[in-house]
Amino acid sequence: DGGITQSPKYLFRKEGQNVTLSCEQNLNHDAMYWYRQDPGQGLRLIYYSQIVNDFQKGDIAEGYSVSREKKESFPLTVTSAQKNPTAFYLCASSKSNEQFFGPGTRLTVL
Amino acid sequence: GIQVEQSPPDLILQEGANSTLRCNFSDSVNNLQWFHQNPWGQLINLFYIPSGTKQNGRLSATTVATERYSLLYISSSQTTDSGVYFCAVVSGGSNYKLTFGKGTLLTVNP
Repeated sequence: DGGITQSPKYLFRKEGQNVTLSCEQNLNHDAMYWYRQDPGQGLRLIYYSQIVNDFQKGDIAEGYSVSREKKESFPLTVTSAQKNPTAFYLCASSKSNEQFFGPGTRLTVL
Repeated sequence: GIQVEQSPPDLILQEGANSTLRCNFSDSVNNLQWFHQNPWGQLINLFYIPSGTKQNGRLSATTVATERYSLLYISSSQTTDSGVYFCAVVSGGSNYKLTFGKGTLLTVNP
Protein backbone atom coordinates (compact mmCIF):
# COMPACT_ATOMS: atom_id res chain seq x y z
CA ASP A 1 0.00 0.00 0.00
CA GLY A 2 1.69 3.21 -1.16
CA GLY A 3 1.83 6.23 1.03
CA ILE A 4 3.54 8.32 3.66
CA THR A 5 3.81 7.07 7.22
CA GLN A 6 4.75 9.02 10.31
CA SER A 7 5.51 7.72 13.76
CA PRO A 8 4.71 7.99 16.52
CA LYS A 9 1.23 9.45 16.28
CA TYR A 10 1.53 11.09 19.70
CA LEU A 11 4.76 11.98 21.49
CA PHE A 12 5.38 13.44 24.90
CA ARG A 13 8.70 14.95 25.83
CA LYS A 14 10.21 16.52 28.89
CA GLU A 15 11.87 19.89 28.54
CA GLY A 16 15.54 19.58 27.67
CA GLN A 17 15.18 16.29 25.75
CA ASN A 18 15.77 15.78 22.06
CA VAL A 19 13.19 13.71 20.16
CA THR A 20 13.17 12.29 16.65
CA LEU A 21 10.06 12.05 14.49
CA SER A 22 9.99 9.46 11.75
CA CYS A 23 8.75 9.96 8.19
CA GLU A 24 8.84 7.21 5.55
CA GLN A 25 7.44 7.14 2.01
CA ASN A 26 7.23 4.36 -0.56
CA LEU A 27 5.96 6.56 -3.41
CA ASN A 28 9.41 6.89 -5.01
CA HIS A 29 9.21 10.65 -4.53
CA ASP A 30 12.42 12.64 -4.77
CA ALA A 31 11.48 15.57 -2.52
CA MET A 32 10.43 15.46 1.13
CA TYR A 33 9.36 18.18 3.55
CA TRP A 34 8.65 18.87 7.21
CA TYR A 35 5.96 21.34 8.26
CA ARG A 36 4.77 22.54 11.64
CA GLN A 37 1.16 23.48 12.44
CA ASP A 38 0.10 25.47 15.50
CA PRO A 39 -3.54 25.68 16.63
CA GLY A 40 -5.72 27.74 14.29
CA GLN A 41 -2.87 28.30 11.87
CA GLY A 42 -1.70 27.12 8.51
CA LEU A 43 1.45 25.05 8.04
CA ARG A 44 4.96 26.49 8.10
CA LEU A 45 7.98 24.87 6.44
CA ILE A 46 10.79 23.65 8.71
CA TYR A 47 13.14 21.80 6.32
CA TYR A 48 13.00 20.29 2.87
CA SER A 49 15.11 17.91 0.83
CA GLN A 50 15.05 17.63 -2.94
CA ILE A 51 17.53 14.75 -3.17
CA VAL A 52 19.34 12.24 -0.98
CA ASN A 53 22.14 13.70 1.16
CA ASP A 54 20.95 17.27 0.57
CA PHE A 55 18.49 19.45 2.49
CA GLN A 56 17.69 23.12 2.98
CA LYS A 57 16.29 25.21 5.80
CA GLY A 58 12.74 26.44 5.57
CA ASP A 59 11.18 29.41 7.32
CA ILE A 60 11.43 28.12 10.91
CA ALA A 61 14.47 25.78 11.03
CA GLU A 62 15.94 27.01 14.32
CA GLY A 63 15.94 24.28 16.95
CA TYR A 64 15.39 21.47 14.42
CA SER A 65 17.69 19.14 12.49
CA VAL A 66 17.15 16.60 9.69
CA SER A 67 18.99 13.97 7.69
CA ARG A 68 18.33 12.39 4.29
CA GLU A 69 20.45 9.26 4.02
CA LYS A 70 17.82 7.29 2.08
CA LYS A 71 15.30 8.37 -0.52
CA GLU A 72 12.47 6.84 1.51
CA SER A 73 13.26 8.42 4.87
CA PHE A 74 13.45 11.97 6.22
CA PRO A 75 13.60 12.01 10.04
CA LEU A 76 13.20 15.25 11.99
CA THR A 77 14.91 15.87 15.34
CA VAL A 78 13.40 18.45 17.65
CA THR A 79 16.25 19.63 19.84
CA SER A 80 16.22 21.23 23.26
CA ALA A 81 17.07 24.51 21.52
CA GLN A 82 13.55 24.72 20.09
CA LYS A 83 11.81 27.15 22.44
CA ASN A 84 8.21 26.18 21.78
CA PRO A 85 8.15 22.66 20.34
CA THR A 86 4.56 21.70 21.24
CA ALA A 87 2.82 21.45 17.87
CA PHE A 88 1.48 19.16 15.15
CA TYR A 89 4.22 18.03 12.75
CA LEU A 90 3.45 16.96 9.19
CA CYS A 91 5.73 15.34 6.68
CA ALA A 92 5.14 15.59 2.93
CA SER A 93 6.67 14.32 -0.28
CA SER A 94 6.44 15.18 -3.97
CA LYS A 95 7.71 13.92 -7.32
CA SER A 96 6.78 16.94 -9.42
CA ASN A 97 4.95 19.92 -8.01
CA GLU A 98 2.07 18.33 -6.12
CA GLN A 99 2.76 17.58 -2.45
CA PHE A 100 1.16 14.77 -0.45
CA PHE A 101 1.05 14.62 3.33
CA GLY A 102 1.43 11.99 6.01
CA PRO A 103 -0.96 11.67 8.97
CA GLY A 104 1.17 13.78 11.33
CA THR A 105 2.73 13.52 14.80
CA ARG A 106 1.41 15.51 17.76
CA LEU A 107 4.29 16.52 20.02
CA THR A 108 3.63 17.77 23.52
CA VAL A 109 6.36 19.07 25.80
CA LEU A 110 5.60 18.54 29.46
CA GLY B 1 7.65 36.36 0.58
CA ILE B 2 4.33 35.56 -1.01
CA GLN B 3 1.17 36.24 1.02
CA VAL B 4 -1.86 33.94 0.95
CA GLU B 5 -5.21 35.12 2.28
CA GLN B 6 -8.28 32.95 2.60
CA SER B 7 -11.85 34.04 3.11
CA PRO B 8 -14.10 33.66 4.93
CA PRO B 9 -12.24 32.48 8.03
CA ASP B 10 -15.34 30.66 9.30
CA LEU B 11 -18.44 29.41 7.51
CA ILE B 12 -21.50 27.64 8.91
CA LEU B 13 -23.93 25.91 6.53
CA GLN B 14 -26.98 23.73 6.64
CA GLU B 15 -26.64 20.37 4.94
CA GLY B 16 -27.47 20.70 1.25
CA ALA B 17 -26.29 24.29 0.87
CA ASN B 18 -23.62 25.45 -1.57
CA SER B 19 -20.54 27.50 -0.69
CA THR B 20 -17.58 29.30 -2.23
CA LEU B 21 -14.20 29.64 -0.55
CA ARG B 22 -11.69 32.17 -1.82
CA CYS B 23 -7.89 32.26 -1.87
CA ASN B 24 -5.98 35.42 -2.84
CA PHE B 25 -2.21 35.41 -3.36
CA SER B 26 0.21 38.27 -3.76
CA ASP B 27 2.58 37.02 -6.49
CA SER B 28 2.79 34.67 -9.45
CA VAL B 29 2.61 30.98 -8.59
CA ASN B 30 3.93 27.72 -10.03
CA ASN B 31 1.66 25.55 -7.96
CA LEU B 32 -1.63 25.95 -6.10
CA GLN B 33 -3.21 23.21 -4.05
CA TRP B 34 -6.45 22.95 -2.06
CA PHE B 35 -6.54 20.66 0.96
CA HIS B 36 -9.18 19.50 3.41
CA GLN B 37 -7.94 18.86 6.94
CA ASN B 38 -10.11 16.30 8.68
CA PRO B 39 -10.77 16.19 12.45
CA TRP B 40 -7.78 13.88 12.94
CA GLY B 41 -5.44 16.35 11.30
CA GLN B 42 -4.88 14.50 8.05
CA LEU B 43 -4.47 16.77 5.03
CA ILE B 44 -6.44 15.42 2.09
CA ASN B 45 -5.46 16.61 -1.39
CA LEU B 46 -8.48 18.10 -3.15
CA PHE B 47 -7.01 19.84 -6.18
CA TYR B 48 -3.70 20.65 -7.78
CA ILE B 49 -4.71 23.68 -9.83
CA PRO B 50 -2.13 26.35 -10.73
CA SER B 51 -4.55 27.56 -13.42
CA GLY B 52 -7.88 26.68 -15.00
CA THR B 53 -10.87 24.77 -13.69
CA LYS B 54 -11.23 21.25 -12.34
CA GLN B 55 -14.14 19.27 -10.95
CA ASN B 56 -14.29 16.23 -8.71
CA GLY B 57 -17.79 15.18 -7.75
CA ARG B 58 -19.46 17.89 -5.67
CA LEU B 59 -16.26 19.92 -5.50
CA SER B 60 -14.79 22.15 -8.15
CA ALA B 61 -12.02 24.72 -8.25
CA THR B 62 -11.00 27.60 -10.46
CA THR B 63 -7.70 29.46 -10.46
CA VAL B 64 -7.28 32.74 -12.34
CA ALA B 65 -3.52 33.11 -12.12
CA THR B 66 -3.40 36.48 -13.90
CA GLU B 67 -5.71 37.95 -11.25
CA ARG B 68 -4.06 36.03 -8.41
CA TYR B 69 -7.00 34.20 -6.90
CA SER B 70 -8.52 30.77 -6.67
CA LEU B 71 -12.03 29.64 -5.73
CA LEU B 72 -13.20 26.34 -4.25
CA TYR B 73 -16.86 25.48 -4.76
CA ILE B 74 -18.68 22.96 -2.60
CA SER B 75 -22.15 21.99 -3.75
CA SER B 76 -24.86 20.11 -1.84
CA SER B 77 -22.72 20.14 1.29
CA GLN B 78 -22.70 17.18 3.68
CA THR B 79 -21.74 16.95 7.35
CA THR B 80 -18.62 15.05 6.32
CA ASP B 81 -17.44 18.18 4.47
CA SER B 82 -16.82 19.84 7.84
CA GLY B 83 -13.24 20.71 8.66
CA VAL B 84 -10.60 23.22 7.66
CA TYR B 85 -9.91 24.00 4.01
CA PHE B 86 -6.43 25.24 3.14
CA CYS B 87 -5.10 26.90 0.06
CA ALA B 88 -1.33 26.63 -0.46
CA VAL B 89 0.91 28.00 -3.19
CA VAL B 90 4.44 27.68 -4.51
CA SER B 91 5.58 31.09 -5.66
CA GLY B 92 7.53 31.64 -8.84
CA GLY B 93 10.90 31.97 -7.16
CA SER B 94 10.82 29.24 -4.52
CA ASN B 95 10.60 26.03 -6.58
CA TYR B 96 9.19 23.79 -3.89
CA LYS B 97 8.09 25.62 -0.75
CA LEU B 98 4.35 25.57 -0.14
CA THR B 99 3.06 28.71 1.58
CA PHE B 100 -0.25 28.14 3.33
CA GLY B 101 -3.14 30.43 4.07
CA LYS B 102 -4.71 30.31 7.52
CA GLY B 103 -7.64 28.26 6.28
CA THR B 104 -11.43 28.39 6.26
CA LEU B 105 -13.20 26.48 9.04
CA LEU B 106 -16.35 24.96 7.54
CA THR B 107 -19.10 23.57 9.75
CA VAL B 108 -21.99 21.77 8.06
CA ASN B 109 -24.97 21.18 10.35
CA PRO B 110 -27.50 18.39 9.75
